[in-house]
Amino acid sequence: EADIYQTPRYLVIGTGKKITLECSQTMGHDKMYWYQQDPGMELHLIHYSYGVNSTEKGDLSSESTVSRIRTEHFPLTLESARPSHTSQYLCASRDLGNTEAFFGQGTRLTVV
Amino acid sequence: QKEVEQDPGPLSVPEGAIVSLNCTYSNSAFQYFMWYRQYSRKGPELLMYTYSSGNKEDGRFTAQVDKSSKYISLFIRDSQPSDSATYLCAMSVGTDSWGKLQFGAGTQVVVTP
Repeated sequence: EADIYQTPRYLVIGTGKKITLECSQTMGHDKMYWYQQDPGMELHLIHYSYGVNSTEKGDLSSESTVSRIRTEHFPLTLESARPSHTSQYLCASRDLGNTEAFFGQGTRLTVV
Repeated sequence: QKEVEQDPGPLSVPEGAIVSLNCTYSNSAFQYFMWYRQYSRKGPELLMYTYSSGNKEDGRFTAQVDKSSKYISLFIRDSQPSDSATYLCAMSVGTDSWGKLQFGAGTQVVVTP
């Protein structure tokens, strides 16, 4: 079982609120990723990180931001949530050798 | 055109049948290939990982990679209702230091008792 954790699992929040989705892994992986997935749709990469202090935007434009201050921690922040941000957010990690990528259970965000 | 193509299904099979899933891709630089299973409202769970061409077997699951045809497959033998899920293929290039994965759209599989 993969040691990558996301909190919260579910979040319902009002428009305009600031939120942070947490992602932590205990495998010592250097590479971490955030994907966005709408119901029945494919995964879209929104952010990735190669290591501490290294972050890049992914293929899908997102208003969220990320930080990587510690290897094990890769939080995603929305400064002002909107209904269009309603989605499932999935965090993944992978080691330097490009072997298997492991996913967390996801955070299902609903902005009302 | 997408880099990774996968039939979204749904694919419905009776219990005990063999499930055959596949993906095609266009980027010949892909070297790492993965299959994930995703239940509704859950994160993807890694099923199989292969590097370069060849076959890999793990219990009821067999993964095949044919790089010459840019085609990968996943076979599930003796399918069970608990195998009902969406199956995602994913792949990445070897020289990409970022290790970004390209995903297929996922195939929904329904195994009926």
